[in-house]
Amino acid sequence: EAGVTQSPTHLIKTRGQQATLRCSPISGHTSVYWYQQALGLGLQFLLWYDEGEERNRGNFPPRFSGRQFPNYSSELNVNALELEDSALYLCASSPPIPTYNEQFFGPGTRLTVL
Amino acid sequence: AQKVTQAQTEISVVEKEDVTLDCVYETRDTTYYLFWYKQPPSGELVFLIRRNSFDEQNEISGRYSWNFQKSTSSFNFTITASQVVDSAVYFCALSEAPQTGANNLFFGTGTRLTVIP
Repeated sequence: EAGVTQSPTHLIKTRGQQATLRCSPISGHTSVYWYQQALGLGLQFLLWYDEGEERNRGNFPPRFSGRQFPNYSSELNVNALELEDSALYLCASSPPIPTYNEQFFGPGTRLTVL
Repeated sequence: AQKVTQAQTEISVVEKEDVTLDCVYETRDTTYYLFWYKQPPSGELVFLIRRNSFDEQNEISGRYSWNFQKSTSSFNFTITASQVVDSAVYFCALSEAPQTGANNLFFGTGTRLTVIP
C-alpha cells in the first residue's frame, strides 16, 4: 500500500512569491493534516481537512491556506512568502472520523525562501 | 491548554546501552491520546505507538517499551540494547478531544538520540 506522498521534495522561492505544496493521502484516508517544522520552532499544526472541508486551523496567518479535492488530495498555499516561512512542511493522513486513528506522515516538502 | 515537554534535547549513548526518553504532558481533557514518532535523517515521521488516556498498561514491542503514568502526566519511552539505526529525533505528541474529531497533534520539541557504535 502506498504511503502519503508529497510534492515537490524541495521548493525554492523568493520573498513575496507564492508557494503551492501538494499531498496525496493513503488510499481510503479522508483526513489530511498539514504541519510546519521550522528550525527552532518544532512541529506545529497548520491545517486539517476532512471530506473537502477545513475542520481546524492552527495559529497561522491567513496567507496560509489550502484545500482538499474530491479525491482527498490536498494543496497548501502560502502567499506573500516571508523568510521565516522556510521550513519542512509535513502532510499526514488518517482514516475517516469519528474513530480516531494515528496520523501517517509523508516525507515532507522543504521550502526555502530567499 | 495543552503542552508536551521533552526536556532532553539531545542524548548520546553507546550501542547496546538502554536509553529512556522522557515526555511530560499537560491537558485539561479527560480523554486524550499520546503518541511517539521517530524522525530519521530522511525527515519522514514514523509512527511508533498510540496510547489513550484510559489505558495505563505499559507496552512492549521488541526493544521498545513505553511507560504511561497519569499520576505524573508522563509517557516515557525506553529503547533496550540500542542500535545505531535507532539514531533519530523522537517526538512525543498529544491529541485532545478525539471524540469531536479534533485530531490535530501537539508535539514536543523532540529529543535527538545518537547511538555511537
